[in-house]
Amino acid sequence: GAGVSQSPRYKVAKRGQDVALRCDPISGHVSLFWYQQALGQGPEFLTYFQNEAQLDKSGLPSDRFFAERPEGSVSTLKIQRTQQEDSAVYLCASSLSSNEQFFGPGTRLTVL
Amino acid sequence: AQRVTQPEKLLSVFKGAPVELKCNYSYSGSPELFWYVQYSRQRLQLLLRHISRESIKGFTADLNKGETSFHLKKPFAQEEDSAMYYCALELSGNTPLVFGKGTRLSVIA
Repeated sequence: GAGVSQSPRYKVAKRGQDVALRCDPISGHVSLFWYQQALGQGPEFLTYFQNEAQLDKSGLPSDRFFAERPEGSVSTLKIQRTQQEDSAVYLCASSLSSNEQFFGPGTRLTVL
Repeated sequence: AQRVTQPEKLLSVFKGAPVELKCNYSYSGSPELFWYVQYSRQRLQLLLRHISRESIKGFTADLNKGETSFHLKKPFAQEEDSAMYYCALELSGNTPLVFGKGTRLSVIA
């Protein structure tokens, strides 16, 4: 079956522009996680959902970051007024209940 | 706060040599520990987790609560083991992972 997919795979934005990153989890997976991975670092937690409920958003770096999962399936991470420090790979992962998180390929965001 | 430390950014070994990738964590409770691997041009994937106590691709890892460590070991490295390895901690089931910064393993022929 299909794994976690993310789009776009690459995004170049001018500073100040808004961007939206999409994640399609594995069908039936209840939990969905967003991570940010800066160059040379490990992934860092941003936020996560269980179905449509956002259970924890403590990792979002600022109020410019917003995530939603309105129907408990596809999720969108939105970044308003992008800054250079937002440049990173954004990873999405989904899981059922087995503790294993399945990761997507990531979206590489570059803010100029 | 919970933290995962991988002291080596890069580890180079010769093919056939033993490999040990170090991982230490700080958490007062009983976490679940994982090793994730990312091969070139592939996505991050689970290698093994401590609760399953299994060997995957010849790799094993033992959780040492006294030393708060979860080192990854393989007796004989292969070229296909070259990849980025991340140690990760989970506080309870189906919650966010806390990752280390990763160790790049390079196996030289």
